[in-house]
Amino acid sequence: AQSVTQLGSHVSVSEGALVLLRCNYSSSVPPYLFWYVQYPNQGLQLLLKYTSAATLVKGINGFEAEFKKSETSFHLTKPSAHMSDAAEYFCAVSQDRGAQKLVFGQGTRLTINP
Amino acid sequence: GAGVSQSPSNKVTEKGKDVELRCDPISGHTALYWYRQSLGQGLEFLIYFQGNSAPDKSGLPSDRFSAERTGGSVSTLTIQRTQQEDSAVYLCASSLPGGNYGYTFGSGTRLTVV
Repeated sequence: AQSVTQLGSHVSVSEGALVLLRCNYSSSVPPYLFWYVQYPNQGLQLLLKYTSAATLVKGINGFEAEFKKSETSFHLTKPSAHMSDAAEYFCAVSQDRGAQKLVFGQGTRLTINP
Repeated sequence: GAGVSQSPSNKVTEKGKDVELRCDPISGHTALYWYRQSLGQGLEFLIYFQGNSAPDKSGLPSDRFSAERTGGSVSTLTIQRTQQEDSAVYLCASSLPGGNYGYTFGSGTRLTVV
């Protein structure tokens, strides 16, 4: 079964600095991959997804992620952090191409320092 | 509707009481999912519906938990004889069929068992 590992439960960056949130999945078969963001007291919102069309995926709010099969990674980046980016971020992977159930990572809390 | 609607948004109940949590998915979304998010934890899968059937209910933690979906639309998650460890945010999500669409989440029901 697929599993997802997010390195770092907490990440802190300065406003304007690069944001890098790490995600690794377990399978050698490229699945579908997703990043979600959760703001306080809200549900999760889809940031971006990889479905094999392109390895570099652009999402909302200036975020992007690159699928690297050789590293089984799907790290999330943003060139310049904004205070409004402070939130919890979850990486998720589908069990396989035919499955709808997603397996979520433990989440990374992003803090932005002024 | 425009989004996934969950009710109530907050529920405080006494230990031992039964509770019902409701989820109204996006119209046309045949798949519906329940997840649980405990304080500081990731998302724990509970159950998945495709139409009115539940092909995967492997995440229900005990026989005190049950869920149903009627008319391919509204779903109810029922917790009987609530315990303090049931306190969590219960998130519902829906999606189109196929693993590549990702989920749309509701805002969740915060359950507190006192």
